[in-house]
Amino acid sequence: EVQLVESGGGLVQPGGSVRLSCSASGFSFSSFAMHWVRQTPGKRLEYISAISRAGDSTFYADSVKGRFTLTRDNSKNTLYLQLSSLRADDTAIYYCVKGLSGSYYASFDYWGQGTLVTVSS
Amino acid sequence: IQMTQSPSSLSASVGDKVTITCQASQDIDVYLNWFQQKPGKAPKLLIYDASNLETGVPSRFSGRGSGTDFIFTISSLQPEDIATYYCQQYEDLPRTFGHGTKVEI
Repeated sequence: EVQLVESGGGLVQPGGSVRLSCSASGFSFSSFAMHWVRQTPGKRLEYISAISRAGDSTFYADSVKGRFTLTRDNSKNTLYLQLSSLRADDTAIYYCVKGLSGSYYASFDYWGQGTLVTVSS
Repeated sequence: IQMTQSPSSLSASVGDKVTITCQASQDIDVYLNWFQQKPGKAPKLLIYDASNLETGVPSRFSGRGSGTDFIFTISSLQPEDIATYYCQQYEDLPRTFGHGTKVEI
C-alpha cells in the first residue's frame, strides 16, 4: 500500500523558514517523480513543485521560485521541501504527491495526508 | 492553463444524477484528472485521461470530454459521495486545478 507521510509544518513568522519532509513507503520511491501541491484556507489547490526520480531535475511554480527548494534522498525514501522567505499567502496545507513515472511531466496519483504551514506573527 | 469548473456547489438527493463541467483555457487533449476530496482528507484520484476510472472506484462515477470541455458525472448520488470534486490538467506545467465543486445532499 502506498503511504506518504508529511511532517514539519507549524507556525512560522513572516520571513522565516521551515523544512517539510515526506516519508514514502509501499512503492519503489527511487523510480518515481514526486510533487508538492498546497491547499489554501479557501480550499484552492495550487501545484508548487516537482522533482524527477533521480533528483537531477526540478520544477517550481512562479509563486515559489527562488524561495522554495525541493530535494530528495532516495536512500531514505524521503522528500524534502525547504520553504524560505515565507509570506502570509504561503499559509496552506502542503501535500506530497506521488508521480506516475520517473519524469514529473507525467501525471500523479497518491497524496499524503498533508501538513499545515501557518505563516503569521 | 486556466481551469473553469462549474457549478461551485450543488445540492442533490440520493439517487440523483450529478453533473460537473470543467473547461480548459486551451486544448489539453485528454490530459485531465478528476479528484474527490472529503472533509479533512487528502484528494483521491477518481478518473484519469478524462474518462478512465481509477482501480477500485465505483462505476457510478464517469468522465468524458477532450480538448477544452469536460464533464464529470455521478450517475446515482450516494451519501458517501458528499465531497468536493476538482478537475486538474496535466497537459502542461504548472499543473492547474479547477476551483472545486462542493456536492451536498
